[in-house]
Amino acid sequence: AQSVTQLDSQVPVFEEAPVELRCNYSSSVSVYLFWYVQYPNQGLQLLLKYLSGSTLVESINGFEAEFNKSQTSFHLRKPSVHISDTAEYFCAVSDRYGGSQGNLIFGKGTKLSVKP
Amino acid sequence: DVKVTQSSRYLVKRTGEKVFLECVQDMDHENMFWYRQDPGLGLRLIYFSYDVKMKEKGDIPEGYSVSREKKERFSLILESASTNQTSMYLCASSSTGFSYNEQFFGPGTRLTVL
Repeated sequence: AQSVTQLDSQVPVFEEAPVELRCNYSSSVSVYLFWYVQYPNQGLQLLLKYLSGSTLVESINGFEAEFNKSQTSFHLRKPSVHISDTAEYFCAVSDRYGGSQGNLIFGKGTKLSVKP
Repeated sequence: DVKVTQSSRYLVKRTGEKVFLECVQDMDHENMFWYRQDPGLGLRLIYFSYDVKMKEKGDIPEGYSVSREKKERFSLILESASTNQTSMYLCASSSTGFSYNEQFFGPGTRLTVL
């Protein structure tokens, strides 16, 4: 069975500092990987995804994540965070070959708190 | 843009009441999902549906039922609400086409059961 572990439940950082949110997954098959973001009092929005090809994927607001198959990781990074990045971030995995009609398995989330 | 809407942002109900949470998507997606979100537990799948009138249990279906009479609408029903069902409920939809399982979420309904 697939599972996702987000190693940090909370990450406080100062504005303009770099940040890394860690995500590890376990799966016996090839996977698709996602990062979702949830701003306060809102639903989840897709931040970025890895489907195939280049192992480094980027979002439009400066986040990037790297798929590392040997370490089964998909860590999210940003070189310089803004106050507006304060949100909860969820890593998710799905079975590449269909499985359960496109179900995603979510991690428990990491709350990023950016302080001035 | 895909739009997933949920009937209420905030809802307060009393123990024992029957509660309906409605979700509508406008992108002709085949799959629809209901999750509950609790602090420290992340998102847990309650039920999902991959076609009209079809439903599958997720990880925590106890105390819930669902209905999907039309492709665009997926309802979550709490037959007899209890205080431990106080939570944020999120609806999502996805396509079985080439969207690689990307799910689109509604804004959520924060349900309080007194």
